[in-house]
Amino acid sequence: GIQVEQSPPDLILQEGANSTLRCNFSDSVNNLQWFHQNPWGQLINLFYIPSGTKQNGRLSATTVATERYSLLYISSSQTTDSGVYFCAVVESGGSNYKLTFGKGTLLTVNP
Amino acid sequence: ETGVTQTPRHLVMGMTNKKSLKCEQHLGHNAMYWYKQSAKKPLELMFVYNFKEQTENNSVPSRFSPECPNSSHLFLHLHTLQPEDSALYLCASSRVQSYEQYFGPGTRLTVT
Repeated sequence: GIQVEQSPPDLILQEGANSTLRCNFSDSVNNLQWFHQNPWGQLINLFYIPSGTKQNGRLSATTVATERYSLLYISSSQTTDSGVYFCAVVESGGSNYKLTFGKGTLLTVNP
Repeated sequence: ETGVTQTPRHLVMGMTNKKSLKCEQHLGHNAMYWYKQSAKKPLELMFVYNFKEQTENNSVPSRFSPECPNSSHLFLHLHTLQPEDSALYLCASSRVQSYEQYFGPGTRLTVT
């Protein structure tokens, strides 16, 4: 099946700093989603972005499907941005509903 | 975010108990999913229901028994669990025609 790798595994920032999280995937995808998991376990949808670029406030994401990677940008980070960020994909040609998750990036934003 | 709700939020059960997890979606979706998140492991898909029909069982042990009475409700019935089944169980939903999934807040299960 498809492999999803996220980097870095851990990231520590000072409040106000910018960061870039990366997601590499091993095959073509029909879907790519970025999630933020808060300390209580809730997975919050950030972006549905199988290709192209999207922005939502301080967050933006870019997926280059032909090169099999996606980037999540966080600007002017805040302590509330802390948590785990997951990338998840649906492989093209496979079950059209099976999300395969990466292991996540643990982000800690210090005041 | 109240589109997908799960109850209970926390559950502690013994290995001989029987309990059920409940998920309800208010988004008008017609596909529902159970995922398991164990410590230090990626989220794993357990079951998928499309229009109330189970379409995926990802080699889940029979001590986990799903039920989907309608497109808005999904249950996970638990019996004779093992301590290694302790995990966060997440429910998700989507439109069958769409790949985008929305998650509930999860049930944190501890098996003693």
